[in-house]
Amino acid sequence: QQKVQQSPESLIVPEGAMTSLNCTFSDSASQYFAWYRQHSGKAPKALMSIFSNGEKEEGRFTIHLNKASLHFSLHIRDSQPSDSALYLCAVSNTGNYKYVFGAGTRLKVIA
Amino acid sequence: ETAVFQTPNYHVTQVGNEVSFNCKQTLGHDTMYWYKQDSKKLLKIMFSYNNKQLIVNETVPRRFSPQSSDKAHLNLRIKSVEPEDSAVYLCASSVRDWGGSYEQYFGPGTRLTVL
Repeated sequence: QQKVQQSPESLIVPEGAMTSLNCTFSDSASQYFAWYRQHSGKAPKALMSIFSNGEKEEGRFTIHLNKASLHFSLHIRDSQPSDSALYLCAVSNTGNYKYVFGAGTRLKVIA
Repeated sequence: ETAVFQTPNYHVTQVGNEVSFNCKQTLGHDTMYWYKQDSKKLLKIMFSYNNKQLIVNETVPRRFSPQSSDKAHLNLRIKSVEPEDSAVYLCASSVRDWGGSYEQYFGPGTRLTVL
C-alpha cells in the first residue's frame, strides 16, 4: 500500500525567501507526482506535476523528482504572503485510478 | 462556466440519518472521485469512477454508496451516519489518456456535521 509522507508539517518564512517542501513515497512503480495547494476554506488546486526524473519550472515554482530516492520536492522562489496555504503532494500509478495524498505542509509567508 | 459543482455546501444531521451529496462536472472529464478530508486536512480517496464504472473502492464502511448516472455526475449516499463521518467531502474529476494520470479538478466540497 502506497505511503506518502510530507515534511515539514509546517513552515514560516519571510516574504521573498525560498521555500522548499518535501514529499517521499513508498511505491517505486509510481508514475505521476503532483503538488496541490489549498487555501483556507477552499478546494485543493493543482500547482504542478511531473512524470519523469528531473526538474520542471513554472514561474516561481519548481518541482524536482528523484525516483531512485523515492522523493520529490516543490521549491517556491520569492515567496509571497499569497502563497500561504496548505500544500499537498499526490502520487499515482499509471493504470490505476487512485491518488494518494500526503498529510500536507502548512506554509505561512510573513510580510 | 466549466467546473466541478457540489451540493449542498453544508449539511448538519443527527446520528442514524441518511444523507446524499451531489456532484456534477462540466469539464468533459471521464473520471470522477470522492474524497474525504478530515479535521486535520488529511485527504483520503474513497471511490473512483471511470465512464460510470466503479474502478476504485477504498476501504470505507458499507453505509457509504456512490452512484453515477453518467460520466458527468457522481453522487454519494451515506446510510445511517455516525459521528466519525463528520468531514468535508470533496468531489473531483480528471481526464486520463495515454500519458497516464492527470491533474484533478476539485469541487468546493460539502461539509457534513453529525450531531
